[in-house]
Amino acid sequence: RKEVEQDPGPFNVPEGATVAFNCTYSNSASQSFFWYRQDCRKEPKLLMSVYSSGNEDGRFTAQLNRASQYISLLIRDSKLSDSATYLCVVNIGNAGNMLTFGGGTRLMVKP
Amino acid sequence: GAGVSQSPSNKVTEKGKDVELRCDPISGHTALYWYRQRLGQGLEFLIYFQGNSAPDKSGLPSDRFSAERTGESVSTLTIQRTQQEDSAVYLCASSPPSGRAAGFGPGTRLTVL
Repeated sequence: RKEVEQDPGPFNVPEGATVAFNCTYSNSASQSFFWYRQDCRKEPKLLMSVYSSGNEDGRFTAQLNRASQYISLLIRDSKLSDSATYLCVVNIGNAGNMLTFGGGTRLMVKP
Repeated sequence: GAGVSQSPSNKVTEKGKDVELRCDPISGHTALYWYRQRLGQGLEFLIYFQGNSAPDKSGLPSDRFSAERTGESVSTLTIQRTQQEDSAVYLCASSPPSGRAAGFGPGTRLTVL
């Protein structure tokens, strides 16, 4: 089993739709969680950190479920510009605090 | 402040040649990662440096790949006897202590002819 798993998609949604992605992680000792966004032919960029209490940034909401070992990203009122690959990132809690990246979920927002 | 920088931005080489890619992390970032990303594919972990600890080399695909980092400064990724399948974007990332979020460099696009 991979340490961090995501549905690769693609998720094809119309503009204005609400879409949610989940990401599961295998190590219950994982401590830090993040969502990154990667546009085509660009480097990944931090979208938001995921806190235990959940957090919201505009149209984006991130949640952490420690009991089931997954994090989620909800995007409301999707825009064409939201089309990208969304990467789940977990500090797997090893001695070196290494960040582990999921394979990414591709989102395509259509007019 | 300055982000992660990588050089060169593009490298075209002939099969069998050696190449060296450079990464300058954000100042104060103790952790440094190298990834490979082939066209249309996800990130492939190569190697992880954390301070002065022994690096995690578990992602290096063959003994033709090696990486060095002195302390918390610059890192170089060396690919010897390049093959066409080495063609990819090589991304470097660095992060502060305690596993906080990493910042990525723009990558080096390597093309092996």
